[in-house]
Amino acid sequence: GQQLNQSPQSMFIQEGEDVSMNCTSSSIFNTWLWYKQEPGEGPVLLIALYKAGELTSNGRLTAQFGITRKDSFLNISASIPSDVGIYFCAGQVYYTGNQFYFGTGTSLTVIP
Amino acid sequence: DGGITQSPKYLFRKEGQNVTLSCEQNLNHDAMYWYRQDPGQGLRLIYYSQIVNDFQKGDIAEGYSVSREKKESFPLTVTSAQKNPTAFYLCASRGTSGRAKSYNEQFFGPGTRLTVL
Repeated sequence: GQQLNQSPQSMFIQEGEDVSMNCTSSSIFNTWLWYKQEPGEGPVLLIALYKAGELTSNGRLTAQFGITRKDSFLNISASIPSDVGIYFCAGQVYYTGNQFYFGTGTSLTVIP
Repeated sequence: DGGITQSPKYLFRKEGQNVTLSCEQNLNHDAMYWYRQDPGQGLRLIYYSQIVNDFQKGDIAEGYSVSREKKESFPLTVTSAQKNPTAFYLCASRGTSGRAKSYNEQFFGPGTRLTVL
């Protein structure tokens, strides 16, 4: 199955800094989803994107659906310690039977 | 509260034993999924079901089996044929209502960590 390229693999930042991460695919997707996962827990859906160029915010989080439909970006502004976790992207293509494909995750550490 | 529940949270099994992981949802979702998560890897699809009494193999179905007798329930059995079953297992569901947005949003349960001794 396809896996998405997600970068960076890990980030160590100071509290208050902004964070950017991205996902790329060799396939065109119809939907991009961004999740956050904390240790020992299931992923929590943060943002869903449905069309090319779409920019959607959820509090301090902003995500964009790339124009080529092959990438997506997530930004976190003014990071705080509770932002710590692993962030995953997921993409979906309708013709694959509604399967979702996942990135390998970006591990975020926020230093107070 | 609407959501997805998985039980147990932690499960220990001896080699050669089958074990069943529970997944229940009260979101009225038609589609349900099972994923396996290993350290440093993305989620890998084991099985998925788009409707009751129907399911399809994912990328790593060997050594696993599922059933979908009720809309709310999608149990996963890890059989003794699975060579390396120790992992974190995640169940998910996807809405299929008339609203396009909920149709494409997938929600996860809290996970079950399986350890083979």
